[in-house]
Amino acid sequence: DGGITQSPKYLFRKEGQNVTLSCEQNLNHDAMYWYRQDPGQGLRLIYYSQIVNDFQKGDIAEGYSVSREKKESFPLTVTSAQKNPTAFYLCASSPAGGDTEAFFGQGTRLTVV
Amino acid sequence: LAKTTQPISMDSYEGQEVNITCSHNNIATNDYITWYQQFPSQGPRFIIQGYKTKVTNEVASLFIPADRKSSTLSLPRVSLSDTAVYYCLVGDGVGRAGSYQLTFGKGTKLSVIP
Repeated sequence: DGGITQSPKYLFRKEGQNVTLSCEQNLNHDAMYWYRQDPGQGLRLIYYSQIVNDFQKGDIAEGYSVSREKKESFPLTVTSAQKNPTAFYLCASSPAGGDTEAFFGQGTRLTVV
Repeated sequence: LAKTTQPISMDSYEGQEVNITCSHNNIATNDYITWYQQFPSQGPRFIIQGYKTKVTNEVASLFIPADRKSSTLSLPRVSLSDTAVYYCLVGDGVGRAGSYQLTFGKGTKLSVIP
């Protein structure tokens, strides 16, 4: 059953701790993306990767880090440097190119207390 | 990257046709236009994509004029379940490495009224 999986669905962390969000896809897609969504707002791009071992910063990369060691995995670490980390995080994958369809995970809701 | 502009919100009664227009004045020759739908606390899902003229699928139609500086998503006979946020994206169809960021704007919040 092909798709893109994010885990966990809900995550609670204490302020000052780093936390890693998982994103796995078995669609054989080259490109993967991480977004942040705040209540009532659109999606803002954090990082994206077009190929393994390569990734680029999006619009709001400060306080976040990623890795792309395998084609199917693109974990996002929210570091203590991120000033306001509480948000809904979405991962997506697609074949590379603007003429393709992107598939999204169900999201991880991170709450930092 | 071509920037997109959409209305922030729209209201419609059930059973009516809804047209949401997106402006993308700086669209490039290789760019495709894609629309996504998002329900609360879910990831967006693909609705329709086109390059020029008209595209139709089982869910919607996409109208793109000859100058491609705008596009219109048409939802026929909406129901309450069509209440969602709709995003218009413009992306490079060539697929050169690093060239496609999949950038979302604020979207249009459609509210369908009984």
